[in-house]
Amino acid sequence: GESVGLHLPTLSVQEGDNSIINCAYSNSASDYFIWYKQESGKGPQFIIDIRSNMDKRQGQRVTVLLNKTVKHLSLQIAATQPGDSAVYFCAANYGGSQGNLIFGKGTKLSVKP
Amino acid sequence: GAGVSQTPSNKVTEKGKYVELRCDPISGHTALYWYRQSLGQGPEFLIYFQGTGAADDSGLPNDRFFAVRPEGSVSTLKIQRTERGDSAVYLCASSFGDRGPAFFGQGTRLTVV
Repeated sequence: GESVGLHLPTLSVQEGDNSIINCAYSNSASDYFIWYKQESGKGPQFIIDIRSNMDKRQGQRVTVLLNKTVKHLSLQIAATQPGDSAVYFCAANYGGSQGNLIFGKGTKLSVKP
Repeated sequence: GAGVSQTPSNKVTEKGKYVELRCDPISGHTALYWYRQSLGQGPEFLIYFQGTGAADDSGLPNDRFFAVRPEGSVSTLKIQRTERGDSAVYLCASSFGDRGPAFFGQGTRLTVV
C-alpha cells in the first residue's frame, strides 16, 4: 500500500543549530505535502505545506524542500530552539483530496540547551 | 473558540458499549476530517466531510464506525460495540475548503476496558 516514511525516528541537535528532518513518500500521484509538529498530549500543529508545482517554500524559521523525482521532502528548521522539541510528522495526500493524508511515523526532535 | 474543539478530552468505556465523540470545527471551515492515532504512530485517516456529506469514508475500519455532520458544522463520530483495539486518540481537523491546510483539535483519548 501507499506509505510515507521518515528517515530517522529521533534527532538530537544543539540549541541554535539548524535541524533537517527528512521524509520519503511512495505515491507518485500525491500532489500536496504537509508538515506537522506534535507535542506530548496535544494535537498536531500545522507548520508548513507545499504543493507539487513548487520545490521550495519558506516560512518563519522553516523551509520545506520537495524533490518529486526521488519522492523526498525535508523540513529545515533554522536556529533550533528548545521550544522546537516535539515529534514532527510529514504527510502526503492520497487521491484527489487534500484531506486524505497519509502520515509517517514521526521524528522526535530533541534540542539540547 | 478559535480552534477545533473536541469533546470529551478523555473517554473510558467498557467493551461492547456505544460511544460518541464530538468535533466542533473552526468557524467557516467547510471541510472536516477524522483521524485516529495509536501510541507511537502517525494519525490514520478515517473520514472526510465536505459540507454535510462524506466525501471520502475509505478509512473507516468497519461498519461499527460511523460519522455524521448533519448541518455542515459539528460532527459526531460514533462507534458501536466498542472493542479494546479501538483504544486510541481520535483527532478531528478542519480546513477552509479542501485546498487549505487542515488544523487539528487536541483529540479525544478513548480507552476501552
